[in-house]
Amino acid sequence: KNQVEQSPQSLIILEGKNCTLQCNYTVSPFSNLRWYKQDTGRGPVSLTIMTFSENTKSNGRYTATLDADTKQSSLHITASQLSDSASYICVVSLNTGTASKLTFGTGTRLQVTL
Amino acid sequence: EADIYQTPRYLVIGTGKKITLECSQTMGHDKMYWYQQDPGMELHLIHYSYGVNSTEKGDLSSESTVSRIRTEHFPLTLESARPSHTSQYLCASQGNDYGYTFGSGTRLTVV
Repeated sequence: KNQVEQSPQSLIILEGKNCTLQCNYTVSPFSNLRWYKQDTGRGPVSLTIMTFSENTKSNGRYTATLDADTKQSSLHITASQLSDSASYICVVSLNTGTASKLTFGTGTRLQVTL
Repeated sequence: EADIYQTPRYLVIGTGKKITLECSQTMGHDKMYWYQQDPGMELHLIHYSYGVNSTEKGDLSSESTVSRIRTEHFPLTLESARPSHTSQYLCASQGNDYGYTFGSGTRLTVV
């Protein structure tokens, strides 16, 4: 069964600190991996998209890494802000040939406090 | 700024009512999707469409139905709502690249 597992489930950090979220997947054949930010009660918003040939991609204070050999990805948030409080979802796209299919992780709930 | 719109944002209705959740996108995307998400849980695909007059059921069994008469419009209908349908419903569209764009979602409560 194709799975995407994220850790930790939840995380509380102080404003200004850095943090790293983890994603392990078993999806095969792999097409690409995405990180989304989802505010409570809202739809997910894309942060990064990486294909299997990409090792790292940045979007402002967000930096995602991908190791396709070990099937692991991480999302590093630098100098966290209160507005970073949200759920961060790792999504792996299955390459079906005719259509992409997404497998969602359950997310890491991040809370940034003063 | 979102180019995919869902209405209503919140809906509370009684059991047995028929409801339609609206989803429209202005990007001309052929592929559109409906996901269901319970609080704190992952998204599950319930319906998808690859173009006009094309609809398929997703991974999660759902009593809802969808239609795709126009490219920009992908409504989801529940003929007779039940409390078990209480959830958040997210619509998404996909362009020719890998990108998905999600709507803000409709939070449905059936009482």
